[in-house]
Amino acid sequence: DTAVSQTPKYLVTQMGNDKSIKCEQNLGHDTMYWYKQDSKKFLKIMFSYNNKELIINETVPNRFSPKSPDKAHLNLHINSLELGDSAVYFCASSQESWGPYNEQFFGPGTRLTVL
Amino acid sequence: QQQVKQSPQSLIVQKGGISIINCAYENTAFDYFPWYQQFPGKGPALLIAIRPDVSEKKEGRFTISFNKSAKQFSLHIMDSQPGDSATYFCAASIDRGSTLGRLYFGRGTQLTVWP
Repeated sequence: DTAVSQTPKYLVTQMGNDKSIKCEQNLGHDTMYWYKQDSKKFLKIMFSYNNKELIINETVPNRFSPKSPDKAHLNLHINSLELGDSAVYFCASSQESWGPYNEQFFGPGTRLTVL
Repeated sequence: QQQVKQSPQSLIVQKGGISIINCAYENTAFDYFPWYQQFPGKGPALLIAIRPDVSEKKEGRFTISFNKSAKQFSLHIMDSQPGDSATYFCAASIDRGSTLGRLYFGRGTQLTVWP
């Protein structure tokens, strides 16, 4: 059974388009995250939600907007895509946002290519 | 500003050898130090973690050594195997306060184990 799933796995699109990436976790976790991994493999946190509430909002462009319809889902919508948005985006979840249960479980990633 | 500095960027080891990856941090408030392992095309997964009240933690062939006074910690992989070839990330977090368990990742080490 997949613990953290993301769709789509690959996304190729033109500059200026709007796209969404969906994430679902079936672990019953309270906290979910979005990370961006660039071509040099650097992992940078973008957002974190705890029980549908935004708790971490890194300095990312306003074109990126997370949405958490319920505790098990955290979607990422990106407006007006730019070349620099090309990266692998990972969703992750953890039982809590801190403490000994902060082990983060990552999804398989979505490779976004902006042409 | 990189909160956790990781070296080397890449590492090539012969099968059966010892792989050593080093990390250093400045923020003395960090109190949780996990290592994540990432295989190509997959999301990172927790490998082993340590808290600063112990100087060493061992799980199978993987050992974390922690030096609180030097603000350094390292991952040792004994009897390295080709299946260990992956990217390794050290990380640090603070389990209290407003940072809410946010993980600060190092830049990663690409390990290749030759058969």
